[in-house]
Amino acid sequence: AQTVTQSQPEMSVQEAETVTLSCTYDTSESDYYLFWYKQPPSRQMILVIRQEAYKQQNATENRFSVNFQKAAKSFSLKISDSQLGDAAMYFCASLLNAGGTSYGKLTFGQGTILTVHP
Amino acid sequence: DGGITQSPKYLFRKEGQNVTLSCEQNLNHDAMYWYRQDPGQGLRLIYYSQIVNDFQKGDIAEGYSVSREKKESFPLTVTSAQKNPTAFYLCASTPRDGQGYTEAFFGQGTRLTVV
Repeated sequence: AQTVTQSQPEMSVQEAETVTLSCTYDTSESDYYLFWYKQPPSRQMILVIRQEAYKQQNATENRFSVNFQKAAKSFSLKISDSQLGDAAMYFCASLLNAGGTSYGKLTFGQGTILTVHP
Repeated sequence: DGGITQSPKYLFRKEGQNVTLSCEQNLNHDAMYWYRQDPGQGLRLIYYSQIVNDFQKGDIAEGYSVSREKKESFPLTVTSAQKNPTAFYLCASTPRDGQGYTEAFFGQGTRLTVV
């Protein structure tokens, strides 16, 4: 089974501060990608950051970085210097690149609503 | 411009009727997906398809059906067997390179309301 769990339904942060969103996943496969997507009120899904499971180095995109702990199956997102425009729902997701009929299966977590206070 | 087009944006259905949501992509992506999103909730996978003429059930396939007759099209039918179909539906697609599938691209969504 492939599951993604986000245990924080809501988080808040002051503008310019740092916040970390948590995500754990479970898969028996060794070949997969992990993602963080952002969904603003417009509901358009926007890719924030991507991590290939075979890479040990944590991915970074400007103010966004991840802490990928493969053995613990943990994939947290850190947002530095938070901005008002970061306010949105954030989804963690896993995409399998192995597993027979599960090849290509893309599973999302429940989401975390992030509020940014000015 | 390349992208994923979902239509219509808003759809109203009477109880007991089947309705079909359209999803078309001109990105030449191999895999396509349908998700359901309820208010304040995550995305739950309904069906996905890796290749033409083949598809797999997701986590909540009951009451839904799909087809993949063309690479660029993946319509979703919400049948009368779906007990609570009112929701926001998102279609996505992913390309595949030499290392496998990569990131997903999404359509704008269809808001389905049962009246």
